[in-house]
Amino acid sequence: KAGVTQTPRYLIKTRGQQVTLSCSPISGHRSVSWYQQTPGQGLQFLFEYFSETQRNKGNFPGRFSGRQFSNSRSEMNVSTLELGDSALYLCASSPSSGGGETQYFGPGTRLLVL
Amino acid sequence: AQKITQTQPGMFVQEKEAVTLDCTYDTSDQSYGLFWYKQPSSGEMIFLIYQGSYDEQNATEGRYSLNFQKARKSANLVISASQLGDSAMYFCAMREYGDDKIIFGKGTRLHILP
Repeated sequence: KAGVTQTPRYLIKTRGQQVTLSCSPISGHRSVSWYQQTPGQGLQFLFEYFSETQRNKGNFPGRFSGRQFSNSRSEMNVSTLELGDSALYLCASSPSSGGGETQYFGPGTRLLVL
Repeated sequence: AQKITQTQPGMFVQEKEAVTLDCTYDTSDQSYGLFWYKQPSSGEMIFLIYQGSYDEQNATEGRYSLNFQKARKSANLVISASQLGDSAMYFCAMREYGDDKIIFGKGTRLHILP
């Protein structure tokens, strides 16, 4: 089975721009979660989608948004980029939601904001 | 309050020796899952091992075992016969049942010396 895939792998943007990151979960997985990883804050939960619905949201400003499509693929959007948004964005999938199941991660997208 | 505590920011271990990475957690839930992930320099988060709160036996996966002490809220990872390829960042994480996000510790950077 193919793993979680994320595109693009690397991205450079400037302040004020917006960016869209994509995540394709493992086949059959319906839950997709997004995390931001920075050296200072570590790994922080952004949000989780299940069956095209946002189930949970972390403590991030409204500039961070996401969505999930009927094929379980998910996108994350960050508008009005700030320097502090430079991070590794990780996507993880699991078969369902809320059951304590293992989440399997993709390779991440490294975003650099200049 | 920090829910996952990893007290060892970095460790140096001789190749072929066993390694124990410490993790303590805090939760008032009775149902939860504990995970260990490995993150090499490439950035991808690799799932290693899972322990459910109701599992009576310690989880094992090849060279990895989880020393689960529920009363002490401890979930240490043991790597037997360490290899150079084990050099990476290791994260302990917890997922409370009914919640959708994984909470990560700050990580332990493990260096295996030849």
